[in-house]
Amino acid sequence: ETGVTQSPTHLIKTRGQQVTLRCSSQSGHNTVSWYQQALGQGPQFIFQYYREEENGRGNFPPRFSGLQFPNYSSELNVNALELDDSALYLCASSARQGGGGGYTFGSGTRLTVV
Amino acid sequence: QKEVEQNSGPLSVPEGAIASLNCTYSDRGSQSFFWYRQYSGKSPELIMSIYSNGDKEDGRFTAQLNKASQYVSLLIRDSQPSDSATYLCAVNFGNEKLTFGTGTRLTIIP
Repeated sequence: ETGVTQSPTHLIKTRGQQVTLRCSSQSGHNTVSWYQQALGQGPQFIFQYYREEENGRGNFPPRFSGLQFPNYSSELNVNALELDDSALYLCASSARQGGGGGYTFGSGTRLTVV
Repeated sequence: QKEVEQNSGPLSVPEGAIASLNCTYSDRGSQSFFWYRQYSGKSPELIMSIYSNGDKEDGRFTAQLNKASQYVSLLIRDSQPSDSATYLCAVNFGNEKLTFGTGTRLTIIP
């Protein structure tokens, strides 16, 4: 059974640029959620995808968008990067909607915006 | 606003002692509760889940849930230096996501 994999592991971008982060969910998991974790904070929910449809969104602006593909892998896109977007971005997959059975997290992508 | 609250710590516990971590949440109708461990620079790792009132034990870890009082706790027995990490409490409020607390930083002192 493969776990959740994310790429890239680290990324440095300039303010105003766009970035795409990628995630492959754990085998058998059809729900993918994305979280942003700033330093010293708990993860903050960005959005969730279930069977290729967005299924819940947190308090993030529209420049945060995503996709889920038929194989349940997912992308997080962030446009017009701001300095405050610097954070650890976590992808989590679960076998149930809403993470009812708990999430399995990937190792994360550390994004630095300069 | 559905919230999860934790004491941010740091909490220092001698090696071999019991570490007690607490979490309160805002919605009495919540169904699922989780504890994650996060080492510095790493991603969260699920260590315990609990769904009904009472205690749930797994090795050195015990989760305790009291829905009437809206709190969930995690006890770590025979604490080891490798238990030093940030512990995140997460609650499924039934709204398609897990809501996390800010985490409690635990340090085990050899």
